[in-house]
Amino acid sequence: NAGVTQTPKFQVLKTGQSMTLQCAQDMNHNSMYWYRQDPGMGLRLIYYSASEGTTDKGEVPNGYNVSRLNKREFSLRLESAAPSQTSVYFCASSLEGGRSYGYTFGSGTRLTVV
Amino acid sequence: GDSVTQMEGPVTLSEEAFLTINCTYTATGYPSLFWYVQYPGEGLQLLLKATKADDKGSNKGFEATYRKETTSFHLEKGSVQVSDSAVYFCALISTGGVDSSYKLIFGSGTRLLVRP
Repeated sequence: NAGVTQTPKFQVLKTGQSMTLQCAQDMNHNSMYWYRQDPGMGLRLIYYSASEGTTDKGEVPNGYNVSRLNKREFSLRLESAAPSQTSVYFCASSLEGGRSYGYTFGSGTRLTVV
Repeated sequence: GDSVTQMEGPVTLSEEAFLTINCTYTATGYPSLFWYVQYPGEGLQLLLKATKADDKGSNKGFEATYRKETTSFHLEKGSVQVSDSAVYFCALISTGGVDSSYKLIFGSGTRLLVRP
């Protein structure tokens, strides 16, 4: 059981370049999430998708877009990368919103924008 | 809004010492509370959880009790090991949004270093 799979694991971008972070889960979860982790700030929610076909902004959505491609996949796109987007990005999923069982996280993508 | 406050780290202990990491929260209603652990270079793993007041979550020797009267969910372990060295995150899920999607809100994390 793979759980939540993120690709790539590492990426270096130049300022202004674009890229898409991929996330897939095989647990038949309805909800999926993208977080970023910065030193001393915990994890902050970028976007989430409560169910297939819906997406909504989290705490720090500026500079990002998302696509819920199907129930399994939820991608995060940086259209024009900036150094402030250097971070570790985590995808997560949950069953029924996570209130009973929490979220399951992927292993992360470490992104550096130079 | 909802928030989680954790004690500042790093916390440095000798092996077999007693561990307490403090966590308090602010939330409307009755949130579910979680502790996640992040080992170096890895993602977050659920360590334990409690979904209602007075519940005690436990796993791998770690415990935390949901105290509604003090809005706290402190993490404890009686005897830490070097392998417990990691970053620990307290988190809550409260209700939110017209789409009924719950959102996991994290504290800033506490780094634990256990020395042999």
